Amino acid sequence: EADIYQTPRYLVIGTGKKITLECSQTMGHDKMYWYQQDPGMELHLIHYSYGVNSTEKGDLSSESTVSRIRTEHFPLTLESARPSHTSQYLCASSGTSGGWDTGELFFGEGSRLTVL
Amino acid sequence: SQKIEQNSEALNIQEGKTATLTCNYTNYSPAYLQWYRQDPGRGPVFLLLIRENEKEKRKERLKVTFDTTLKQSLFHITASQPADSATYLCARGSNYQLIWGAGTKLIIKP
Repeated sequence: EADIYQTPRYLVIGTGKKITLECSQTMGHDKMYWYQQDPGMELHLIHYSYGVNSTEKGDLSSESTVSRIRTEHFPLTLESARPSHTSQYLCASSGTSGGWDTGELFFGEGSRLTVL
Repeated sequence: SQKIEQNSEALNIQEGKTATLTCNYTNYSPAYLQWYRQDPGRGPVFLLLIRENEKEKRKERLKVTFDTTLKQSLFHITASQPADSATYLCARGSNYQLIWGAGTKLIIKP
């Protein structure tokens, strides 16, 4: 079992609401990621972080923002949710073993967001 | 652009047989390819990583190959079981991120 946790698992909200999806990992990994995945589709990277105070946008344009104030915590925020934001959001982390980047991603269980 | 292509049609296999899934990539060979398993409504789980200079990698009933000439990776599950039913994702390493295929759904029938 991966030690990476996402809350909430499911969220249904109205248009215009502000939401924050939480992601925490206890593995001490420096790298963390947020992916968006629609049913039957590939994962798309929306944000990533290489460490505390480091955040970058991924290839998929997103209106969300992230922060990395602590190594273990990487929350994603939508200031004003819209129906187009309805999707599955997956948080992941990766680390090193013996000094080498293992390349392996550990995923949380995901947050399924529905915006009405 | 770099892409990963996986068969979008579900693969139906009889229990006990070997399941073989295909992952094709475009442009130059990636430094490595990864395979993940994803169950419905859950996050992907890492299975195997194979580097460009490796022809084959094994882990228990799993085997992955990397053919840079065909620009293809094959993922095999031997002695398949109904519990192996899931969607299997292939991803290529590219700079700072992974580029993912949409996955192939594998159904193992008892």
